[in-house]
Amino acid sequence: SQTIHQWPATLVQPVGSPLSLECTVEGTSNPNLYWYRQAAGRGLQLLFYSVGIGQISSEVPQNLSASRPQDRQFILSSKKLLLSDSGFYLCAWSEDRVAGYTFGSGTRLTVV
Amino acid sequence: GENVEQHPSTLSVQEGDSAVIKCTYSDSASNYFPWYKQELGKGPQLIIDIRSNVGEKKDQRIAVTLNKTAKHFSLHITETQPEDSAVYFCAASKGDYKLSFGAGTTVTVRA
Repeated sequence: SQTIHQWPATLVQPVGSPLSLECTVEGTSNPNLYWYRQAAGRGLQLLFYSVGIGQISSEVPQNLSASRPQDRQFILSSKKLLLSDSGFYLCAWSEDRVAGYTFGSGTRLTVV
Repeated sequence: GENVEQHPSTLSVQEGDSAVIKCTYSDSASNYFPWYKQELGKGPQLIIDIRSNVGEKKDQRIAVTLNKTAKHFSLHITETQPEDSAVYFCAASKGDYKLSFGAGTTVTVRA
């Protein structure tokens, strides 16, 4: 069966520090991968998605970037964090262009 | 892009009663409509979905209905239980790899 792993679960980082969040999927090949952010009490904002290795689509101009170095690995990065980058970051995958997502357990990022 | 509106934003029901959440979408090309449940501190989980060639789908106490003409779909939870308390999100897809989510409904089931 397919599983999605996301880490770390929580992270407290100072303003101006770099960020790297990692997500991996097991049990499938060529998944579609997604990064979402959820501010406290708010909805789900799509940040990036990828339908193949090296293919990254950005939905919202951010202080963030994404990379997909391997088929089942998706990384969210920042060179310098801002206070506004705080939130709950969720990785997800899907198997088709018209399919539900399976979400990871999320990373709670607090920028101080 | 697709715009999905979800109502109500909060819903409080007595245990055993039914809960209904409604969503509307703007793009008639949308053909896939999943619903997610998010418990506190966790990622959303898919609970039920429906495709545009089906009008209704049931899974035990939850059901989803779709009205393509009116471009709206609804989630129905019957015989609510305390463990149904969570945030529920509707979503729509038109086959472009992306889901457009509603803003969410916080459901509280009172014992």
